[in-house]
Amino acid sequence: DQQVKQNSPSLSVQEGRISILNCDYTNSMFDYFLWYKKYPAEGPTFLISISSIKDKNEDGRFTVFLNKSAKHLSLHIVPSQPGDSAVYFCAASDPGGGADGLTFGKGTHLIIQP
Amino acid sequence: KAGVTQTPRYLIKTRGQQVTLSCSPISGHRSVSWYQQTPGQGLQFLFEYFSETQRNKGNFPGRFSGRQFSNSRSEMNVSTLELGDSALYLCASSNILAATTDTQYFGPGTRLTVL
Repeated sequence: DQQVKQNSPSLSVQEGRISILNCDYTNSMFDYFLWYKKYPAEGPTFLISISSIKDKNEDGRFTVFLNKSAKHLSLHIVPSQPGDSAVYFCAASDPGGGADGLTFGKGTHLIIQP
Repeated sequence: KAGVTQTPRYLIKTRGQQVTLSCSPISGHRSVSWYQQTPGQGLQFLFEYFSETQRNKGNFPGRFSGRQFSNSRSEMNVSTLELGDSALYLCASSNILAATTDTQYFGPGTRLTVL
């Protein structure tokens, strides 16, 4: 039973346009969410996070939106650049009682086309 | 500040063998978490060690075990290897428990192939 789902295995976006990556979760105890970016042959690197007390967090070109009622979060990248081509993982944490560390989605492969 | 290092980077084993992977966290970090990444299952949490004690454990069989030393370096062991254990094993370090609101820093991973 996947508690964090990224339903799009891949996404292709033109350079300069907006990239929107989506993530859904089922565990209502999750209250902290993170996005990681992963290039081939490298470990994931932290990108941006959001606490459940917020509905938006922005960092430069990256914005994460959280809709708690829908148990949905999204990562917006504006404008998209060639270096953004990577696999993006959504992760969730249950700090209050989680014994399972971070729960990750399966990832979305973002391809930025020139 | 040096990042998280993992050795070896690549490993080929045969079914039934055992394997030990090593992870050195960022200096000063006391938490080391291990993850398995496969194309079908994505990133799955194995376990977390903090101050030499296993604090959290994912849903993996007992063939997967680990330990942490007093210098925070961690090893992960897989016994009686199966073909399905072929994966990228990632280690991540943080300065507090990973299940809290801190973020983790990942190593490059060890690519294990079981033949």
